[in-house]
Amino acid sequence: DAKTTQPTSMDCAEGRAANLPCNHSTISGNEYVYWYRQIHSQGPQYIIHGLKNNETNEMASLIITEDRKSSTLILPHATLRDTAVYYCIVNWGNQFYFGTGTSLTVIP
Amino acid sequence: KAGVTQTPRYLIKTRGQQVTLSCSPISGHRSVSWYQQTPGQGLQFLFEYFSETQRNKGNFPGRFSGRQFSNSRSEMNVSTLELGDSALYLCASSTGTGASGNTIYFGEGSWLTVV
Repeated sequence: DAKTTQPTSMDCAEGRAANLPCNHSTISGNEYVYWYRQIHSQGPQYIIHGLKNNETNEMASLIITEDRKSSTLILPHATLRDTAVYYCIVNWGNQFYFGTGTSLTVIP
Repeated sequence: KAGVTQTPRYLIKTRGQQVTLSCSPISGHRSVSWYQQTPGQGLQFLFEYFSETQRNKGNFPGRFSGRQFSNSRSEMNVSTLELGDSALYLCASSTGTGASGNTIYFGEGSWLTVV
């Protein structure tokens, strides 16, 4: 079962930062936080993952709270192509449980 | 590096038939997992194979089965198809080594419609 809670939907103005929150209050010490996104029924696309420290790559930044019970995915300059469903996943091993995700709409 | 390749992309089957879907993982990846996505249930884990052995299995009936070959390519089979099996079937691959921090990469999926 999914171990994360995300808002059902969010809007973001084009060019602004999109901040997508995720609660994972039951996360265990060795479980990673992963973010994927899915654009209209294509295969989910990997964005970023982390364990304890904040992470940044060319797509996004991941901020994990010190107690690891929540995290935020940041898309620094949202574009229309970032409109998608974003999934936050807590995972250990190779079995991923997807929740319902957040449907992000980037508005021109 | 080529991504995860799934075939066929689209197919239509009749109730009671069986179907086989194929997945070629990223070169060097030894773990292949399968997921089913439906509007009602979302993305659900079916099973995972590593080095030709099923390592994990989700909560699906025995009509859903899979296998992995020595070259890491995988197939999944659904027998006695039901209307509710209509879904997007996704394959994902990873190195599969170690217990944590493995990233899985998805293919574009196979759209199955059962009529």
